Amino acid sequence: KAGVTQTPRYLIKTRGQQVTLSCSPISGHRSVSWYQQTPGQGLQFLFEYFSETQRNKGNFPGRFSGRQFSNSRSEMNVSTLELGDSALYLCASSFGDRGNTEAFFGQGTRLTVV
Amino acid sequence: AQTVTQSQPEMSVQEAETVTLSCTYDTSESDYYLFWYKQPPSRQMILVIRQEAYKQQNATENRFSVNFQKAAKSFSLKISDSQLGDAAMYFCARVTNTGNQFYFGTGTSLTVIP
Repeated sequence: KAGVTQTPRYLIKTRGQQVTLSCSPISGHRSVSWYQQTPGQGLQFLFEYFSETQRNKGNFPGRFSGRQFSNSRSEMNVSTLELGDSALYLCASSFGDRGNTEAFFGQGTRLTVV
Repeated sequence: AQTVTQSQPEMSVQEAETVTLSCTYDTSESDYYLFWYKQPPSRQMILVIRQEAYKQQNATENRFSVNFQKAAKSFSLKISDSQLGDAAMYFCARVTNTGNQFYFGTGTSLTVIP
């Protein structure tokens, strides 16, 4: 079956712009979580959605937001981009709702803010 | 605190030898899940092995096994008969029993020497 698909794979944006990243989970998975990966901070949790509801949110400013659609596809949005937002953004999908099943990761979206 | 600590930023091992990667974590929960993920240069996170905290038996997947010490909050990964394809960044992670929010360690970069 198809894996987790993230689009686009690469993105270059200018400071102050906004960006939307997309994540299509594995068919049947209802949980999607997002992570920011940077060399300095490592992998940091952004938020998690389950059946269109945000269940958990990491310690990120309000410029970072997300949503999940009825087909479980998820988007995250970053407004007023800053240079420090340059990172690899990973999403993961899971079948279960309580961390008791494997999370499958996409290949990530590499965002560069200039 | 919900920290996961990997104290070895870099490790190296001779091909066909055995190497152990260390991980400790902090939690007040009694039920949770632990994972080791591998991230090769392609950036695709791949599950290596998974352990349920309520299970005393250490998980094993082919050449990969863990030493889970719940009281010590320790979760080390042993790779036997190391292969060149094992070279990657390895992340230890913990998931709560209430969602799919992963707490990741800072990673250990494993080099396999031919």
